[in-house]
Formats: sequence, C-alpha cells, structure tokens
Amino acid sequence: GQQLNQSPQSMFIQEGEDVSMNCTSSSIFNTWLWYKQEPGEGPVLLIALYKAGELTSNGRLTAQFGITRKDSFLNISASIPSDVGIYFCAGQSFGQGAQKLVFGQGTRLTINP
Amino acid sequence: NAGVTQTPKFQVLKTGQSMTLQCAQDMNHNSMYWYRQDPGMGLRLIYYSASEGTTDKGEVPNGYNVSRLNKREFSLRLESAAPSQTSVYFCASSEARDRARGELFFGEGSRLTVL
Repeated sequence: GQQLNQSPQSMFIQEGEDVSMNCTSSSIFNTWLWYKQEPGEGPVLLIALYKAGELTSNGRLTAQFGITRKDSFLNISASIPSDVGIYFCAGQSFGQGAQKLVFGQGTRLTINP
Repeated sequence: NAGVTQTPKFQVLKTGQSMTLQCAQDMNHNSMYWYRQDPGMGLRLIYYSASEGTTDKGEVPNGYNVSRLNKREFSLRLESAAPSQTSVYFCASSEARDRARGELFFGEGSRLTVL
C-alpha cells in the first residue's frame, strides 16, 4: 500500500530554534495534513493543505503542499516548550475519504529549555 | 465540551482474554474510526464506520471486531487478545464533509498491554 516517509524521526533542539520536518511519498496526494500529538493525548489537526504549492500558516507553524504533490513540509519558528510532541503528516488521495488517510511514522520533537 | 471519549484509558490483559474498548462522540459526527499506534509505525486504521449502521475493515482488522451501537458510540472488541495487540488505541470521528477533507477528531487513547 501507500507509504509516507517522514523525517527526521526525532529532533532534539534548544528553545528558540526553528524546526523543519518533511514528508515524502511515492504516490500523489490531493490533501496533506499535519497533526500534533502531545504526551498522553490524541492527535490534533494543526494544518490542512488542499492545493499543490499551497503555503499555510497557523501562528508560528507554516506548512507547504509540495508542487509535485508527493511531499509536504512543516516549519515551526522560535520553538517553545509547549511545542514538544509527535508531529504526524497524513496524505489523502483524490476522491478518498478519511478512512484512506495514510499517516507518516511521526517526528518526535524534544526541546531543551 | 468532551469531543471524543474513550474508556478505559489503561488495560492489562492476559493472552486469550477478551475485552471491549468503548468510544463515544458528542459532536454529532457521522463517521467514526479505530486506529492503533505502535512505535515507528504511525497510525494504522483497524475499522471504520462511515455512517450509523455500516462498518468496514481498515488496514489491520485481523483479531478485532467492531459495533456501531448508535450514531454516538463505536466499540472495538478483542475476542482473544494476543501480545501483538499490545498498543495504544485511538478512536476518532469526522463529519461527512470533513471526512472527505481528511479532518479527524481523536480521543485521548487507550493503552492496552497483553501479557
């Protein structure tokens, strides 16, 4: 089946640093989503992208839908302690419902104060 | 504003025992899902229910059964638990429109250990 490669798998950064992570696929997706999972909680949707080339921001978070439709990027600027968690990308093909979402393996973000 | 509520949050089972994970949502969503999360594997869909009265297999359905009891509730049953089913289980829901856009609302998770 379809697979997403998410990298890096983990990041250890200092508070205040910027963060970049990405997701790549061998298949084309029409929707890219980024979820965040905090310790002991379920994932929460951060940003949804529906058009190739789209750049969307949510506060200090910025995500891009790659022009090839096979990748997406998430950047976090000026990280703070509450950014700690696991970030998941998810891709969805055209005409498919959420039951066909493909999730990446996650990027675990740890921040040293 | 509860959203998606799962019970229990933690459970330890012995191999061969059965149990049911309960999930309820108060957002009047049509679609509900059960995922499992394993280290390095992301989230994998076990079963889903597109609407009340329907259920379908996901990517990893073996060893599980589900029941869409009503629009609010969707339960996951392990008839004979195996150590390979040790995982964190998440229930999620979405509205039909959002389902098409991939937007899911997740519960807090149920951590299951099978010895």
